[in-house]
Amino acid sequence: DTQMTQSPFSLSASVGDRVTITCQASQDIRSYLNWYQHKAGKAPRLLIYDASSLETGVPSKFSGSGSGTHFTLTISSLQPEDTATYYCQQYENMPLTFGQGTRLEIK
Amino acid sequence: EVRLLESGGGLVQPGGSLRLSCEASGFTFINYAMTWVRQAPGKGLEWLCLIRGSNFKAYYADSVKGRFTISRDNSKNTLYLQMNSLRVEDTALYFCAKKRLDAGSFDDWGQGTQVTVSS
Repeated sequence: DTQMTQSPFSLSASVGDRVTITCQASQDIRSYLNWYQHKAGKAPRLLIYDASSLETGVPSKFSGSGSGTHFTLTISSLQPEDTATYYCQQYENMPLTFGQGTRLEIK
Repeated sequence: EVRLLESGGGLVQPGGSLRLSCEASGFTFINYAMTWVRQAPGKGLEWLCLIRGSNFKAYYADSVKGRFTISRDNSKNTLYLQMNSLRVEDTALYFCAKKRLDAGSFDDWGQGTQVTVSS
C-alpha cells in the first residue's frame, strides 16, 4: 500500500498568516494527489486535485504543488474559518489512501 | 445541485450486520464511480471501497475486504454498503462520495451516517 505521511500533525497560526502543510508518499504517485478540508461535523471538501489544480469554487488562497513523492498545500491570508483538519489523498495505486491529517488552528 | 444522503446507520452488536444507503441526486449517477469513506472517533479519514459506474467493478481496503460489500442500483440512483461481521473498531461516521470523472478525487460528499458497534 502507498503510505501518506503528513507534517506537521498540528499547527497554530494567526489571522493573515500563511502556512504550508507537507505530504510525503511512500512511493512515486506522479501528480495523483488530492487535498481536502474537513471541519468537525461537516462533509469533507475537495480543495486541490491532481496536486495543483484548484477545485471549482475554492478560493485562490489555497494552492498545491509537488509531484512524485513530495507535495505541499499552502494556505495564505488565514481566516478563522480556515480552522479545520486537512488531508492529502493519493489515487495512483489501490487501495486509495489518506494522510493522517493536519489540524490547523487559527489563533 | 448534487445531493448525497446517507442512511442506515445505528447501533449494532459485534458480529452483527448493517446496510448503509446513499441516495444520489443532481447528476447522472450511472456515469460516476462512488466511494465510501469513514472517520472513527478521534481518527482521520479512512478510504473503504469504491465502485465504478456501469461495470460495477469494486475495490476495497484491506481493513474491510471480505466483510463489507459495496454495490449500487443505478435505476434507483442509490449506493449501498453491506457491512457484515462488524467489530468495535468499525464504529465511525460513514460518508459516501462521488468521484470526479477526470480525476481520482471526490468532489461531492454526503453528511455521513453514524455506525456504532457495541455490546
